[in-house]
Formats: sequence, C-alpha cells, structure tokens
Amino acid sequence: EPEVTQTPSHQVTQMGQEVILRCVPISNHLYFYWYRQILGQKVEFLVSFYNNEISEKSEIFDDQFSVERPDGSNFTLKIRSTKLEDSAMYFCASSGGTGGDQPQHFGDGTRLSIL
Amino acid sequence: GNSVTQMEGPVTLSEEAFLTINCTYTATGYPSLFWYVQYPGEGLQLLLKATKADDKGSNKGFEATYRKETTSFHLEKGSVQVSDSAVYFCALSDRGNTDKLIFGTGTRLQVFP
Repeated sequence: EPEVTQTPSHQVTQMGQEVILRCVPISNHLYFYWYRQILGQKVEFLVSFYNNEISEKSEIFDDQFSVERPDGSNFTLKIRSTKLEDSAMYFCASSGGTGGDQPQHFGDGTRLSIL
Repeated sequence: GNSVTQMEGPVTLSEEAFLTINCTYTATGYPSLFWYVQYPGEGLQLLLKATKADDKGSNKGFEATYRKETTSFHLEKGSVQVSDSAVYFCALSDRGNTDKLIFGTGTRLQVFP
C-alpha cells in the first residue's frame, strides 16, 4: 500500500538555526498538509497546500514557517529561525481530494528537538 | 469554532474486555468524523471513518457510529487484544476548502494479558 514518507525521523537543531523537514506524499495525491504535536498535547493543524499554493494556514504558521513543493514528489516545511517552543513531532499528510471519502494519510513524523 | 473532546486516558483493560472510548464534537455544518490510531513509535493511521449522520465506520473489530443528535462518535470494540495497545485520536474534518483535521487530545489504551 502506498505511504507517506518523512525524513529525517529525528532532527536536533540549535535554537536560531534553520531546519527543513521533508515529506514524500502519496504519488497521485493532490492535497498536502503539515501538522504538529507538542509532547503530551493534541495534534494541531499548521498548513494545507493545493495547486502549488497555501490554501489555509493556522495562527501557529507565522512568518518563520514556509512550505514548498520543489519538484513533483517532495513537500517541505521550513522553519527559518527555530525557537525552543518549536520542539515537537511534525506530521505530513496527503489526500486525493477533500471530503470524508478521501481521508488524509499520515507519515510517521519527524521529531524536532531544539536545543 | 469546531472542536473535539475525548475521554481522558489512560484506559487500562484486560485482554478480551469490552472497550469504549468516548468522543464528542462541536461543529457547524456536517463534518466527516474519523478515528486515527498511533502505535508506539509510529505515525497516525486511519482506523475508521463516517461521513454522514447514522453512518457506522468499522475496521479490525472496531466500530463507531456518527450520532448527530448527541454529537458523538464513540469508539467501541467487543474484545480487545494486547496488540490494540496504542493512542487513539478522534478527529473531524473542517469542511472549508481544505478539510483540515481537528483532533481530540488522544486516549492511550493499555491492554494487559
């Protein structure tokens, strides 16, 4: 069964440094998402991406964050200047469409640790 | 805004016991409802879904019915196994132009032999 893959599985970065989290969505999917889960808290929506542009973003997704689909397969999340509070598990998801009949499929996540 | 409320965990059961994890939601309109499961060290996997009122989603012995009148989507399983130990997340899709998911806090299930 096709799956969403994320790399790296764990990223350790110094505060203030830039970090790029990478995702390869399922190949025929059109909608892409990033979510994050701070330890012990709920999974929170960050951003959705469709047709090469952001379609919706949460208030968490400030100017320090950006997303890109640089080629036909990768979908990246960049944090420009990391803060301690960015430490979390980041999940990428993709779906073939909107509506409950096209559910989102998630990757295994990247654990980001900011020192 | 839309939200999901789940029962607090952990839920601790013996093998073959009956499982219920409560989930209620607040939403405008008619969202789709989901249960996702996260096994230790893994990502979120879709367990089951329901797209309209009175729909029953089912998978791997788990069931949940979309109850519009009580705004609930409780997860049930008649006989749990040790391998069901995981964190279970209830979620709804916020039917804007992107269907972003809104999650509950998750409920940890621990099943002992």
